[in-house]
Amino acid sequence: DSGVTQTPKHLITATGQRVTLRCSPRSGDLSVYWYQQSLDQGLQFLIQYYNGEERAKGNILERFSAQQFPDLHSELNLSSLELGDSALYFCASSVEAGAGRGNEQFFGPGTRLTVL
Amino acid sequence: DAKTTQPTSMDCAEGRAANLPCNHSTISGNEYVYWYRQIHSQGPQYIIHGLKNNETNEMASLIITEDRKSSTLILPHATLRDTAVYYCIPTGRGANNLFFGTGTRLTVIP
Repeated sequence: DSGVTQTPKHLITATGQRVTLRCSPRSGDLSVYWYQQSLDQGLQFLIQYYNGEERAKGNILERFSAQQFPDLHSELNLSSLELGDSALYFCASSVEAGAGRGNEQFFGPGTRLTVL
Repeated sequence: DAKTTQPTSMDCAEGRAANLPCNHSTISGNEYVYWYRQIHSQGPQYIIHGLKNNETNEMASLIITEDRKSSTLILPHATLRDTAVYYCIPTGRGANNLFFGTGTRLTVIP
């Protein structure tokens, strides 16, 4: 158990819909990351937040957005869903924002999104 | 970010050492080498990281060549639970975003 929790575990929805994925980081971690893992693209970094502020952006679509709240939990919002958005979405957390000793990322169990 | 080259797959007998190589010849001076693994569809798991010196923890050892162009992850006594995809990921100090490549699929054989 990494200490990072994600809800829901599974989500099935239809094209065109909007969903929200939730992540609670490990206690004390200020940085939250979102990753997408699909069969054809592998694990891809989407976005990072540090203490409520957006820190880095990866291959995140404009239809997707995220935020980190004052209690440090984060939500990833996916809208106008397409079949190709079906994937595993992982959240990770770390103490600080940059790489270095003691700042490894701890991953949650993921949310499996299926778009029909 | 530095590009990496890892074998697509490797087998290792249970109880033997598993040596997983990674080439990162374009690594820059401020990039750490991180290793993560993913067991089936679980969330990736941090293993170890290093900058210049060799490192060891309870899970593995990391050997980094003097020119830092390659590294080897060593699992000293592989078990069946070590079957996973292993990723070598150079990461700069300023950014902690992990760019996963295709990794090495390690299969530990009984």
